[in-house]
Amino acid sequence: QVRLQESGPGLVQPAQTLSLTCTVSDGSISGSGYYWTWVRHLPGRGLEWIGYIYYTGSTFGNPSLKSRLTLSLDTPANQFSLRLTSVTAADTAVYYCARDGDGRGYWFDPWGQGTLVTVSS
Amino acid sequence: QSALTQPASVSGSPGQSITISCTGTSSDVGSYSLVSWYQERPGKAPKVMIYDVSKRPSGVSNRFSGSKSGSTASLTISGLQAEDEAYYYCCSYAGSSTFVFGGGTKLTVL
Repeated sequence: QVRLQESGPGLVQPAQTLSLTCTVSDGSISGSGYYWTWVRHLPGRGLEWIGYIYYTGSTFGNPSLKSRLTLSLDTPANQFSLRLTSVTAADTAVYYCARDGDGRGYWFDPWGQGTLVTVSS
Repeated sequence: QSALTQPASVSGSPGQSITISCTGTSSDVGSYSLVSWYQERPGKAPKVMIYDVSKRPSGVSNRFSGSKSGSTASLTISGLQAEDEAYYYCCSYAGSSTFVFGGGTKLTVL
């Protein structure tokens, strides 16, 4: 069973860039045929889909974040990453990475354990 | 894109059945049979319980079932157990390779 683990700074200053990496184990990103996904849990507001990147490198993002969002793959390292620029306190959340469930890209499983990112000076 | 509408909380006693609704629009739930449901417990990764409106991934108890009518999807849990206590989120494909989640429902097992 593939496993995912998020990593990155737990504290980011306002107006700076949030960068997270998801390391995939027991499965390969390259040639996988899967969508590699980011979701966040905003405190008091629930889950929000951030975007996903296909194994070919094509990216798809939440329209509300698209201008600030960059998704990328590092296939030799078997990792995928998220960059969110110009962050504010509203970006404080637990960030999850996930894979889509069956290669069609319509549901998400499995998920990483999540990493808390706080935006504060 | 607006969040799908879920009740903030539902509760039930062990052995009972409960249903959680998830109301969207003709742009998401109403247009696609691509609704999934996720269970989230504190400190744990979300777990998919239902996908494609009513399909159960392997390993998920058959006490969990899903359905859809118009722009409203529903998750039903029968034979409620203490371990079912969690937050539940619906998620729908919303076209143009985008997704929208519901606001989440807290299930309390009395």
